[in-house]
Amino acid sequence: GAVVSQHPSRVICKSGTSVKIECRSLDFQATTMFWYRQFPKKSLMLMATSNEGSKATYEQGVEKDKFLINHASLTLSTLTVTSAHPEDSSFYICSARGDMTVNTEAFFGQGTRLTVV
Amino acid sequence: RKEVEQDPGPFNVPEGATVAFNCTYSNSASQSFFWYRQDCRKEPKLLMSVYSSGNEDGRFTAQLNRASQYISLLIRDSKLSDSATYLCVVNRGGFSGGYNKLIFGAGTRLAVHP
Repeated sequence: GAVVSQHPSRVICKSGTSVKIECRSLDFQATTMFWYRQFPKKSLMLMATSNEGSKATYEQGVEKDKFLINHASLTLSTLTVTSAHPEDSSFYICSARGDMTVNTEAFFGQGTRLTVV
Repeated sequence: RKEVEQDPGPFNVPEGATVAFNCTYSNSASQSFFWYRQDCRKEPKLLMSVYSSGNEDGRFTAQLNRASQYISLLIRDSKLSDSATYLCVVNRGGFSGGYNKLIFGAGTRLAVHP
């Protein structure tokens, strides 16, 4: 199946710093990628939809200036957590679909575990 | 009310048992449905799509009732390796209404013991 690579898998940073997470589709072009956040023993929460060449679409309650998303090419989307605080500590995971047909499988990156100290 | 609701479990069952998971969704415009499996600290992986006619894949059977907005997953002859969290996933949106988005339920934890 298709592969989505996410990097880094784990990061620890100090409060106030910014962290960039990369999501790459390795063997297909993804015009749209999705970013999720997951707290321990909780569901994946959709944060935003990343669109190649245009602005991301954020879900209600997600701060655009806090979570910067860039989708520079058909195979790369990045999420930057700006001025990170301990409450931003979470599991962040990206997803991509080769096309937007409703039954198309979504492939997930391996996730990034962010710890802000 | 959450858009996709599942019983969180955990379901603790012995090997060989049959276990059923239920899921309801609130958006009647939802177009497609899936069950994903997530192992601890790993990314979700597609288990199976769910079709209106019901579908089966080995020991796994999925059912969809659009009228009741209800989805189910049945696992027969449970194996130790089935222990995981099972996520009910609904595709929200459509071609005319923005992007298709996958909305996840909170997941149901299954623990299969010897």
